[in-house]
Amino acid sequence: GAVVSQHPSRVICKSGTSVKIECRSLDFQATTMFWYRQFPKKSLMLMATSNEGSKATYEQGVEKDKFLINHASLTLSTLTVTSAHPEDSSFYICSASSGSPDYGYTFGSGTRLTVV
Amino acid sequence: AQKITQTQPGMFVQEKEAVTLDCTYDTSDPSYGLFWYKQPSSGEMIFLIYQGSYDQQNATEGRYSLNFQKARKSANLVISASQLGDSAMYFCAMREGGPGSNSGYALNFGKGTSLLVTP
Repeated sequence: GAVVSQHPSRVICKSGTSVKIECRSLDFQATTMFWYRQFPKKSLMLMATSNEGSKATYEQGVEKDKFLINHASLTLSTLTVTSAHPEDSSFYICSASSGSPDYGYTFGSGTRLTVV
Repeated sequence: AQKITQTQPGMFVQEKEAVTLDCTYDTSDPSYGLFWYKQPSSGEMIFLIYQGSYDQQNATEGRYSLNFQKARKSANLVISASQLGDSAMYFCAMREGGPGSNSGYALNFGKGTSLLVTP
């Protein structure tokens, strides 16, 4: 089946530094990638939608200059948290869409970011 | 407005018993898809079951079935013969737009139900 590899699974960084999270579709071409953020015991909140080769569409309230999304190829999308602060600590998870009907949502395994 | 509502923050069920997790949704789109995911403590999202808005029959996948009541806009998940390994968070989600259109439509998630299966 379709697999999305997300790395790193856990990362601890210092305030003010940037962190890059990668999501790779291993055996299919991801035409669209969705990035979600999840606080402990809360729902998944959509941050942005990215299509290969075009700029990401951010949800209201999400700072596009802080959360940089790049979808340069059909198999790789990245989320960079710039100038991270402790409030950016969260669980980030990507979901790739291959465009197939009905199903076609494949999730990465998530990245737990802790900013100290 | 909340598009997916899960009213049960937490549920308990005894091993081998059946349990129903509630989900109601709100959409004016005639074409949509409903999904259930399981999220264990590791954080991965495990797809359980899918129901399309035009599907005539309720979806079933092994021990999982989806009680789809379109007029009431509900899509409850039924887990039969609960197992200890079923303890996890369960999320109901919706895609608005019909089959073939999911490439541009993100899933909208409910707040989730934490299920604990006891021996």
